Amino acid sequence: EAQVTQNPRYLITVTGKKLTVTCSQNMNHEYMSWYRQDPGLGLRQIYYSMNVEVTDKGDVPEGYKVSRKEKRNFPLILESPSPNQTSLYFCASSSLAGALLDEQFFGPGTRLTVL
Amino acid sequence: SQKIEQNSEALNIQEGKTATLTCNYTNYSPAYLQWYRQDPGRGPVFLLLIRENEKEKRKERLKVTFDTTLKQSLFHITASQPADSATYLCALDNSGYALNFGKGTSLLVTP
Repeated sequence: EAQVTQNPRYLITVTGKKLTVTCSQNMNHEYMSWYRQDPGLGLRQIYYSMNVEVTDKGDVPEGYKVSRKEKRNFPLILESPSPNQTSLYFCASSSLAGALLDEQFFGPGTRLTVL
Repeated sequence: SQKIEQNSEALNIQEGKTATLTCNYTNYSPAYLQWYRQDPGRGPVFLLLIRENEKEKRKERLKVTFDTTLKQSLFHITASQPADSATYLCALDNSGYALNFGKGTSLLVTP
C-alpha cells in the first residue's frame, strides 16, 4: 500500500530536549516536505526536499532541521524544542512532473506538545 | 505581501445542492493550484490540480476553475452529500517547489 508514515504519532516532551520525528514514504517520490498546522494559522511549510541531499527552507524553518540522506526518509529534528513548537506536524511526499509538484500524499500527523 | 484567502466562515448547505468554495490570492504567479480535503485530526487528501493554462477541471462531482486574471479559483461539489463535510484547502506553488496553503473553508452538508 502506498503510504507516508510518521513516528511518533503523539509526543509530549520538555523544553530543550532534542527530538526527531521520522517520516518515510514507499512511493519512490523525489519530493518530501514538512508542515505544521496550528489553529487560525493553517498549514505552513517548514522545509522541503527535492531529492537526496537537496533541502530548502519553507515559510517557518526557524528551530527545525532536516536531512535527506535516503530517498525514502526525511526526518524532522528539533534540536532544542520550545513551547511555541507545540503543533500538529505533517510530512508529505510527491513525485515531480517536470516543473510542477504532483499530488502530495500526507502522513497521518504527529501531535507534539512541548512543556 | 503574499496572501491566500479562503472563506473563514463555515459553509452550510443542504444535501443535494452545489457547494462552491472560493480561493483568492495576491502577489502570487502560480503555475498551478491544488485542492485538498482534510478531516479533523487527519492529513490532507489531494483532490484536484489545475494548471495556469487550464480554465476548468472536473473529477466526478468535483469541478475546479482557475482564473489567473481575477486571481481566483472556485471549487464546486455538485449533488453534495453529508460525507462531503470536511475542511477544504487550496494550495498554490510559490516559486516552484514551495507550496503555500490557504487556511481552509469548513463545509457542512446537512441531510
